[in-house]
Amino acid sequence: DADVTQTPRNRITKTGKRIMLECSQTKGHDRMYWYRQDPGLGLRLIYYSFDVKDINKGEISDGYSVSRQAQAKFSLSLESAIPNQTALYFCATSDGPVGFYEQYFGPGTRLTVT
Amino acid sequence: AQSVTQLGSHVSVSEGALVLLRCNYSSSVPPYLFWYVQYPNQGLQLLLKYTTGATLVKGINGFEAEFKKSETSFHLTKPSAHMSDAAEYFCAVSRTGNQFYFGTGTSLTVIP
Repeated sequence: DADVTQTPRNRITKTGKRIMLECSQTKGHDRMYWYRQDPGLGLRLIYYSFDVKDINKGEISDGYSVSRQAQAKFSLSLESAIPNQTALYFCATSDGPVGFYEQYFGPGTRLTVT
Repeated sequence: AQSVTQLGSHVSVSEGALVLLRCNYSSSVPPYLFWYVQYPNQGLQLLLKYTTGATLVKGINGFEAEFKKSETSFHLTKPSAHMSDAAEYFCAVSRTGNQFYFGTGTSLTVIP
């Protein structure tokens, strides 16, 4: 089984709908991240969390919210989806300095907002 | 905020030729530096990293990169390209190990 899983893998939704993307990990890492990938823009950090009680905004947090339900689960919500949130979304985990800051990525969720 | 510049959004090389993918960063202090590879329809996986110590780092699949502080560069090389190297490559930097900044990516094509 994959160490970092994301559900759903693909989602099409309409403008104005609320949508949640979920991420689960079995690596036992404390640090979790949400990124979005857009063609020509690379990956940009949306939110990150170092433990259940620690949530931090990244570069592009506007229009998004997150919830860290447990060490292993980190969800990303779009409260009212808009078309420019169409992108590929990645969850990642890290063991921080213990693992020399290497990040482990999930397979991605492709989100289309129409 | 830090920035990462990857010169060349598309690079083509012949099979067996040298691969050189360029990465420059802006940082006031020596950062942590990473190269990740993304194969089609997959997430990213780490190729190699520089945190401290030796400035020439070796990674998986025959790739290596050299941290040059004076040039603020961390270019990725491989002596001989293989067809399986065709993928998208991302350079990433972090000053503290908390937030990470990625370049815009370089798509590598290997010509048989």
